[in-house]
Amino acid sequence: EAQVTQNPRYLITVTGKKLTVTCSQNMNHEYMSWYRQDPGLGLRQIYYSMNVEVTDKGDVPEGYKVSRKEKRNFPLILESPSPNQTSLYFCASRLKPQGLVGKEEFFGPGTRLTVL
Amino acid sequence: AQSVTQLDSQVPVFEEAPVELRCNYSSSVSVYLFWYVQYPNQGLQLLLKYLSGSTLVKGINGFEAEFNKSQTSFHLRKPSVHISDTAEYFCAVSVLYSSASKIIFGSGTRLSIRP
Repeated sequence: EAQVTQNPRYLITVTGKKLTVTCSQNMNHEYMSWYRQDPGLGLRQIYYSMNVEVTDKGDVPEGYKVSRKEKRNFPLILESPSPNQTSLYFCASRLKPQGLVGKEEFFGPGTRLTVL
Repeated sequence: AQSVTQLDSQVPVFEEAPVELRCNYSSSVSVYLFWYVQYPNQGLQLLLKYLSGSTLVKGINGFEAEFNKSQTSFHLRKPSVHISDTAEYFCAVSVLYSSASKIIFGSGTRLSIRP
């Protein structure tokens, strides 16, 4: 089954304790991205990757890191989490990032993170 | 800059009544438009998309949307809603950004169905 998986689905942590949220897709998609969803703000892009070893900042990158060592995986790293990073996080992937191609994104189930 | 505005944050509707969720976008170039649905405790899934051609687009679960270029709108409609349509709905636009397309999302509309 074609899908995007994320782990963990729920995480409660404390300020400053490094964490990683994993994301994996089995559709051989070149493009992957991370979003955070907050009430009233919709989805905002954190980072994206157009292919292996190619990553770039989205709209709200502060406090986050990513890596893309393999095509299927795109982990999100919070080196020193803070309470304002409490949010619902989604990983997404799609084909062919070049040009205005209108390809839809496929989303993972989400990770609900609480930073105390 | 391109943006997407969903005019209603919440829409309560009785079961079997019609519903319209409004979406307006701002763009000076050609756009591709999407509606996504997020059921409780789930990720987003594509409901329908407009790329070109007929301005009336049909999606899953009986939803449809009409692209209106002059009004820069892409409103979502369903003639008769069901309890299972309770979800949050996001309008989105695909734009060209740094040689790659990027999807910009609206703030979402929460649809609640009353029996």
